[in-house]
Amino acid sequence: GQNIDQPTEMTATEGAIVQINCTYQTSGFNGLFWYQQHAGEAPTFLSYNVLDGLEEKGRFSSFLSRSKGYSYLLLKELQMKDSASYLCAALDSNYQLIWGAGTKLIIKP
Amino acid sequence: DAMVIQNPRYQVTQFGKPVTLSCSQTLNHNVMYWYQQKSSQAPKLLFHYYDKDFNNEADTPDNFQSRRPNTSFCFLDIRSPGLGDAAMYLCATSTGGGSTDTQYFGPGTRLTVL
Repeated sequence: GQNIDQPTEMTATEGAIVQINCTYQTSGFNGLFWYQQHAGEAPTFLSYNVLDGLEEKGRFSSFLSRSKGYSYLLLKELQMKDSASYLCAALDSNYQLIWGAGTKLIIKP
Repeated sequence: DAMVIQNPRYQVTQFGKPVTLSCSQTLNHNVMYWYQQKSSQAPKLLFHYYDKDFNNEADTPDNFQSRRPNTSFCFLDIRSPGLGDAAMYLCATSTGGGSTDTQYFGPGTRLTVL
């Protein structure tokens, strides 16, 4: 079956760095997305990786290892507004998104 | 600004009373999706349209129907809402361009069933 695993919840301190891991098993693979979702709001697109390696975009970076079925989202210089759920989603061979349940990130002052 | 719009943002209905949620987009995207998301769960794809071609997920209950009268609009009809249908309903769009196909979401409609 197809499956996405990510931690349910993480806590970090304002100004620090946090890494949110995601492992995936899909029928074929056409890339991996990270979305941010604030409570009661819709997901917003953060990043897309299809090749191995690190993609950096400001304070946020995303890494992919296709051979390991693994990705992570790295958030630097954490701000209180980064408190949200972070959803990992993999695009399968039919170009369907397989979603993780999300990691709730709690930022403490 | 190009965007995905959902109306209403909050909808309250009674058990068994039909309800329609609407989604419109100004992105001119080929694909429109409807997801159901319950608290602390992953979004669950109900169905999607590629242009006029309707694609229903195998486990989407018959109680859920959809219409796409034109490129810009898509509707979700819940024929007889049950208490278990209370959720956030998310509309998303994408170009349908394959591997770089990013989905863009509307703000969602939170449905309450009394």
